[in-house]
Amino acid sequence: DTAVSQTPKYLVTQMGNDKSIKCEQNLGHDTMYWYKQDSKKFLKIMFSYNNKELIINETVPNRFSPKSPDKAHLNLHINSLELGDSAVYFCASSQSRPGAGTEAFFGQGTRLTVV
Amino acid sequence: DQQVKQNSPSLSVQEGRISILNCDYTNSMFDYFLWYKKYPAEGPTFLISISSIKDKNEDGRFTVFLNKSAKHLSLHIVPSQPGDSAVYFCAAFSRGQNFVFGPGTRLSVLP
Repeated sequence: DTAVSQTPKYLVTQMGNDKSIKCEQNLGHDTMYWYKQDSKKFLKIMFSYNNKELIINETVPNRFSPKSPDKAHLNLHINSLELGDSAVYFCASSQSRPGAGTEAFFGQGTRLTVV
Repeated sequence: DQQVKQNSPSLSVQEGRISILNCDYTNSMFDYFLWYKKYPAEGPTFLISISSIKDKNEDGRFTVFLNKSAKHLSLHIVPSQPGDSAVYFCAAFSRGQNFVFGPGTRLSVLP
């Protein structure tokens, strides 16, 4: 019974394609996130949604668009994929907005490879 | 600009001994710190946290120490077990921001 699940786990695609990664959490949390782990292994926040409302939007190319149909889901759509988009993308959720006493629960990651 | 640094990319420790993982930060506004553990092909899992009003928090074999004046925190694992072998991420938070992660330290506990 996975708390934060994201699909697919692996995604290999060609440059220029459009792809989506889906994320669902069954923890009843209000806040969801997308993180990117780059080749240097840094985990960097991309987006954060609280109750379907975008609350954090870091400097990310417009080709990346998050969509939250409800507070249990946060999907990531990427247009016109580039080689540099290759990374591991992690979805996460937390009970409330980021704050003291709040920890994020992560999905298992989606390894995106753009060829 | 790395706000959270973990200067040791890797650490090897003998089973049964103490593992000490270090983390330094530059933003004095950070007031909440977390450690996450990550196994290969899995997402990070929350391990332990500490608020800036404390200097120590303990949970079983895991203890986190915070030195605010030095902007330094450390995670102690005693005794270390082979199952502790993983990548450990330090993360920090300040009001109005989001969680900022360090680059991680790979811990290998040798039997």
